[in-house]
This record gives sequence, C-alpha cells and structure tokens, in this order.
Amino acid sequence: ETGVTQTPRHLVMGMTNKKSLKCEQHLGHNAMYWYKQSAKKPLELMFVYSLEERVENNSVPSRFSPECPNSSHLFLHLHTLQPEDSALYLCASSQGAVANTGELFFGEGSRLTVL
Amino acid sequence: GDSVTQMEGPVTLSEEAFLTINCTYTATGYPSLFWYVQYPGEGLQLLLKATKADDKGSNKGFEATYRKETTSFHLEKGSVQVSDSAVYFCALSRSSASKIIFGSGTRLSIRP
Repeated sequence: ETGVTQTPRHLVMGMTNKKSLKCEQHLGHNAMYWYKQSAKKPLELMFVYSLEERVENNSVPSRFSPECPNSSHLFLHLHTLQPEDSALYLCASSQGAVANTGELFFGEGSRLTVL
Repeated sequence: GDSVTQMEGPVTLSEEAFLTINCTYTATGYPSLFWYVQYPGEGLQLLLKATKADDKGSNKGFEATYRKETTSFHLEKGSVQVSDSAVYFCALSRSSASKIIFGSGTRLSIRP
C-alpha cells in the first residue's frame, strides 16, 4: 500500500445508521485532514489533526465525529446524518506545516449517500 | 475571511487549444497560491505553486503567475491534450494558518 488509502470507496446509509470512514496514510506524515467535496461548492475543510491532536474544527455538526488514534490513521464517525450530508469525503495528509509546502496528499475519497 | 473564486465550468476545448482558467483570491498578507488537479476517480494532487508576488509556477506545460496587484493566479496551458481532462482547483494558504483553502473547482473537458 502506498500513499493515502480511504475505505470504503462508496457508502449508502439511512439517516438513523451509524457508520465510519477510514483513512490510512503510508507516507510517514504527521498531519491529517478531512475535507468535504460537494458539487459546485468550494472544498470544505472539516478537521485537521497535527501530531494526533485536533488543531482545526470548522464548525462541523456534531453528527460528524473525528478520531485520530495515531499519525497514520484517521476516522470519521457518522451518525444520524441528513441527506444534505451526501458528498465525497476526502482525506489528506501532509508533513509539517502545510502552509509552508502547500502540498497535501489526498486519498481517492469516500462517496457517501444518505437516504 | 480568506477565499478563492474561480471560473465556473465546465470548460470544453478541442485538443491543442489554448487554456485559461481564471482564479482570484481574497486574503490578508501574502498567501501562497496553488493549483491542484483531480483526474477522474482520483484524489487531488498538487500541480504547481507560487509563494510570492510575481513568482511563476509551472508543471506539465501548465503555468500560473502570482499577481498581487490583481489578486489573481490564472492557470494557462498553450496546447491542451485529451489527458488534461480533469477538475482543477485553485487554493491558498497563509503562513500563520494550518490549512489550505480551496475554490470550487473547474471541470475541463478536452475533445479529440
């Protein structure tokens, strides 16, 4: 495995379900991110973890709950979602302060559909 | 707050045509500017960047110049190929921030 891997690639869930998205990076990076990609909207930063501590939380509803157990793994726990939460969820990683290098490494995304 | 505005797509061109995708930004100070590309079924990847005014980033035949006076970072390519079909994202970051802010993306389709 190389780069950033996200599972599952596709997920369909009802509004009362609980599910989780998983991200794993094999690059030795120390920061990880969740972004939400919706059609015709700017890519929306949800959470940032640096050295396994949350450093950014952009007013995301509590029905999204991140977890970063170590520098290689990042989860997004989902519960009681709404249909408008349907989107592509992208995980990314970087080494050091992203503002310096500008280089984020993205996974292929998890396509979420909420019925 | 900081933001990035880029032209709405889709943009459809014939092979070997000249490409421009417009991008303007709003930010305090002197941000770094980036273009990312997302090929079908893949995650975003960094295409090019510029870290100060008048810098030109370039990669794979694409270029963009950091214009402080017009707060712009337009992406250009002299002769596009079918393989350039993708979604292109303009983005910025500030040295004091821990994040990159993206635009909404511009879908580019190239006809053979």
